Amino acid sequence: KQEVTQIPAALSVPEGENLVLNCSFTDSAIYNLQWFRQDPGKGLTSLLLIQSSQREQTSGRLNASLDKSSGRSTLYIAASQPGDSATYLCAVRSNNAGNMLTFGGGTRLMVKP
Amino acid sequence: DTGVSQNPRHKITKRGQNVTFRCDPISEHNRLYWYRQTLGQGPEFLTYFQNEAQLDKSRLLSDRFSAERPKGSFSTLEIQRTEQGDSAMYLCASSSFGQTPLSYEQYFGPGTRLTVT
Repeated sequence: KQEVTQIPAALSVPEGENLVLNCSFTDSAIYNLQWFRQDPGKGLTSLLLIQSSQREQTSGRLNASLDKSSGRSTLYIAASQPGDSATYLCAVRSNNAGNMLTFGGGTRLMVKP
Repeated sequence: DTGVSQNPRHKITKRGQNVTFRCDPISEHNRLYWYRQTLGQGPEFLTYFQNEAQLDKSRLLSDRFSAERPKGSFSTLEIQRTEQGDSAMYLCASSSFGQTPLSYEQYFGPGTRLTVT
């Protein structure tokens, strides 16, 4: 059974800092990995999707990497801003789990002005 | 707005009542998913459809939960005889199924927050 863990559970940083969020998964047989952002009481916004054959994806100040063999992904946020404050969730689609996404518990990020 | 929509956004109900939620996917998407998210946790998968066929309902939490997608467009999730433990955010997502790599990316709606008193 796939398990996804995100560390840290919460993070508070001053504005302008570069930061890294971590995601690990137990079964490396994945089809893809998605990073999402969730604002309080809201739905999920997809940030980046990395296929299992890819090593990284970039969008603006965000860069996500994937090391499938070690079961790890990182989300790098450059020059953080208060508007980046949200919960960040990673999710994997496993090869043997149909089309479901298995989510981690999320990292709650606060960027202080 | 061409994103995934869900109604209602909030539902308060008394224990024992039945509730039904609706999800309208992105129009060209043929796959639709339901997830449940409790406070402080990541979403957990419940069920999914490809067109009108429910292809995986193994993760529905109990026989009180059921979902339909009768015409392959919108979907409904029903919870019968609600319990306080059913209080959660119910999220719907959709994706396309095709040849391009990004066709499996799931797009989520705003969710329906259920409170059972």
